[in-house]
Amino acid sequence: DSGVTQTPKHLITATGQRVTLRCSPRSGDLSVYWYQQSLDQGLQFLIQYYNGEERAKGNILERFSAQQFPDLHSELNLSSLELGDSALYFCASSVGEGDTEAFFGQGTRLTVV
Amino acid sequence: SQQGEEDPQALSIQEGENATMNCSYKTSINNLQWYRQNSGRGLVHLILIRSNEREKHSGRLRVTLDTSKKSSSLLITASRAADTASYFCATDWSGGYQKVTFGTGTKLQVIP
Repeated sequence: DSGVTQTPKHLITATGQRVTLRCSPRSGDLSVYWYQQSLDQGLQFLIQYYNGEERAKGNILERFSAQQFPDLHSELNLSSLELGDSALYFCASSVGEGDTEAFFGQGTRLTVV
Repeated sequence: SQQGEEDPQALSIQEGENATMNCSYKTSINNLQWYRQNSGRGLVHLILIRSNEREKHSGRLRVTLDTSKKSSSLLITASRAADTASYFCATDWSGGYQKVTFGTGTKLQVIP
C-alpha cells in the first residue's frame, strides 16, 4: 500500500459526460501528479500541483482540469468525454517537487462507451 | 514528446538470466528514477539515482547513470518470474519546473 488513495477504482460512462477522479496523497506529501496511461502506452504527464498551486502542465486537454484543495487532496475533472479518453488515470504524490520518490495510487480505470 | 525512452520496448528471458534495460533522456536532470508496473496496476518505485552518482545497487538491481550520454541502465540479476512487469525510467525534467516525467517503458517477461 503506497498510501495514495484514488477513487473510484473503476468508472464506466458515456461519451459527452463529465467525471471527477479523486486523489488523496500520502500524509505529508505536498506534490500531487496526474498521469494518463492508455492501453499499452507509457504514462503521459498531465499536471502537477504543489501545496495547492499548479506547478507544471503536460499534455492535458482543455476538456480536462484539476485542482488541489487546502487539505491537499486533488481532483481531476474530465468533461465532454470521448472514446479516446478511456484509460488508466494515476495519481502520484511526493514530498517535494520532483526530487524525491513519487508514490503512486492504484489508478482509476475509466471506460467511455 | 516523452522525456525518457526505454530500450528495448520488450524483453523476454529465462528465469535466472540477467535483464538489462536502457533509458535515454533529452534534457539535463537532477535525478533519475526507475519504476516497475505490474499489468494494469500502480507503479512501484525501485531506485533513485542522483546526477552526481554513477552507480547504485539495491538487492538484485543495479542502476548506472551516464549524464554525458544522457542515459541510464537498469540491470536485474538472477531474474525471477515475479520480475515480469513493465519498467519505466522517470526524470525530474529540469525544463522550467520540476516534474516526474516517464519514458515509454520496457516490458519484461521472465519465463519460468
